Amino acid sequence: DAKTTQPTSMDCAEGRAANLPCNHSTISGNEYVYWYRQIHSQGPQYIIHGLKNNETNEMASLIITEDRKSSTLILPHATLRDTAVYYCIVYTNAGKSTFGDGTTLTVKP
Amino acid sequence: GAVVSQHPSRVICKSGTSVKIECRSLDFQATTMFWYRQFPKQSLMLMATSNEGSKATYEQGVEKDKFLINHASLTLSTLTVTSAHPEDSSFYICSAPDRDYEQYFGPGTRLTVT
Repeated sequence: DAKTTQPTSMDCAEGRAANLPCNHSTISGNEYVYWYRQIHSQGPQYIIHGLKNNETNEMASLIITEDRKSSTLILPHATLRDTAVYYCIVYTNAGKSTFGDGTTLTVKP
Repeated sequence: GAVVSQHPSRVICKSGTSVKIECRSLDFQATTMFWYRQFPKQSLMLMATSNEGSKATYEQGVEKDKFLINHASLTLSTLTVTSAHPEDSSFYICSAPDRDYEQYFGPGTRLTVT
């Protein structure tokens, strides 16, 4: 599995967009980019995933660079409940997931 | 979305005893499930891949005789921590991919060994 690197922590003001970057420079052509978040003492929650096109759902948007070596998760209007650890992982369909250290996002009032 | 459950959510056991944790996919079948362990303030560490109808595949450094995995059906995988010791205290999480290959995680099981 490709390794991902993310900033250790980020702050965001409530109501503003939170942009979380992820580098995956060794990603293979058949590997997807997935984003999860984990709130303390809970299992990871799926947010969004993509292969090469940008994706949007009710929770977030995913922007993948053309060379697929990096991506950005965008939470358009962050709320206090979005405070969590965000994980960016890459793997093939049904493949095992290797979690990096993630980004601790703190949304501040 | 799909739902994965775990039971129990919390368990406290004495050192030397065994503990079984169940992982169920509630509304889809999963031929493969994954087991993770997470220590405080750390990321999830993959322990093993549970395969329905065949032996589990363990990650390097994970003792297969200590962490017994049984994928009894297409909706159930169990992890048994045998002869538990305090250092086995951790948060154990399972995940399962659905037919669209989206991974769904269980809510986790907090194991405390006294």
